[in-house]
Amino acid sequence: DGGITQSPKYLFRKEGQNVTLSCEQNLNHDAMYWYRQDPGQGLRLIYYSQIVNDFQKGDIAEGYSVSREKKESFPLTVTSAQKNPTAFYLCASSIGLLQPQHFGDGTRLSIL
Amino acid sequence: GESVGLHLPTLSVQEGDNSIINCAYSNSASDYFIWYKQESGKGPQFIIDIRSNMDKRQGQRVTVLLNKTVKHLSLQIAATQPGDSAVYFCADRMDSSYKLIFGSGTRLLVRP
Repeated sequence: DGGITQSPKYLFRKEGQNVTLSCEQNLNHDAMYWYRQDPGQGLRLIYYSQIVNDFQKGDIAEGYSVSREKKESFPLTVTSAQKNPTAFYLCASSIGLLQPQHFGDGTRLSIL
Repeated sequence: GESVGLHLPTLSVQEGDNSIINCAYSNSASDYFIWYKQESGKGPQFIIDIRSNMDKRQGQRVTVLLNKTVKHLSLQIAATQPGDSAVYFCADRMDSSYKLIFGSGTRLLVRP
């Protein structure tokens, strides 16, 4: 089945540690996105990528980094510079500009 | 500024009744609108979308209405079922960009 796979489902970060969240899609979509969701709130865009080897900052990119070396993969690194990383992180992809974004089932990141 | 909001944070309906979830947006340049359903601990699931050149679109048991004059979007669910209980988000896209702006969501509770 085609879809978006995020791993791990739960992740714990120690102070001063960088952690990387995985996002893989087999939908052959060009565009991929990372969102952050805090309790009782909507989604906020962290980074997005329209094509391989290209990505742009979203609204809350500080403290995060991404790479897009392969079409199917868009990993997100939460760096130690992100002082409030506890949240639900969602990855999405879309086939094109005016097409729906389809989401994975998220990674919940907590601080130890 | 650009914002997407919802009139009611929680909507409780009787099983079998119709549900109407409302959404207001502020940017007249928005050209694409989308509704998502999110169940607890999962990623948002695409329900239906509509472009700004339309004022109504129907899917299976769902209808989206767009009123550009008052910048209002609604999602109608016919014969609401217990499985429809979830948080519903609207989002809009401005100026043919890749960025979706999400509202904070409405929780739909279906009473048996």
